[in-house]
Amino acid sequence: GIQVEQSPPDLILQEGANSTLRCNFSDSVNNLQWFHQNPWGQLINLFYIPSGTKQNGRLSATTVATERYSLLYISSSQTTDSGVYFCAVGGGSGSRLTFGEGTQLTVNP
Amino acid sequence: DGGITQSPKYLFRKEGQNVTLSCEQNLNHDAMYWYRQDPGQGLRLIYYSQIVNDFQKGDIAEGYSVSREKKESFPLTVTSAQKNPTAFYLCASSIDLGRLIYEQYFGPGTRLTVT
Repeated sequence: GIQVEQSPPDLILQEGANSTLRCNFSDSVNNLQWFHQNPWGQLINLFYIPSGTKQNGRLSATTVATERYSLLYISSSQTTDSGVYFCAVGGGSGSRLTFGEGTQLTVNP
Repeated sequence: DGGITQSPKYLFRKEGQNVTLSCEQNLNHDAMYWYRQDPGQGLRLIYYSQIVNDFQKGDIAEGYSVSREKKESFPLTVTSAQKNPTAFYLCASSIDLGRLIYEQYFGPGTRLTVT
């Protein structure tokens, strides 16, 4: 099956800093999603981005499918951005997702 | 108000008992999924269903069972055969039109503790 690798595993920032989270995957995909898991465990959809670039406020994402990676950019980080960020990919027929291990982001005031 | 509901939020059981976790969606989504999350790890797929009365095993199906009798509902039973059932269980759903892939949305999860 598809392998998903996220980096870095942990990231500590000061409020206002920018960051880039990376997701590498081992095979071609037709689905790629970025999620933020809040402290209560809820997975919040950030982007559905199997290819191309999208922006939503301070967050943006880029997927280069031919090179098998995706990047999530967080600008002007806030303490509420803290949590775990997951990349999940799907390929072939069917709609199952394979998750990476996540990036634990801590934003300090 | 459309969404995915999971109940209960917290569940405690004694070892050797079967337990059923509920997942309901009113989004009119075709496909539904069950994932398991252990502390500090990503999600792993247990079972998924793309249509009523049909479902497929995911990566870690042993010790679990599901049914899909209605489009809106996809209950998961954690059986006594599951060796390490204590975990956070998340249900998801998506539109599914054959080979077309759509975004998955998640419920709030159920934390199961077995002692």
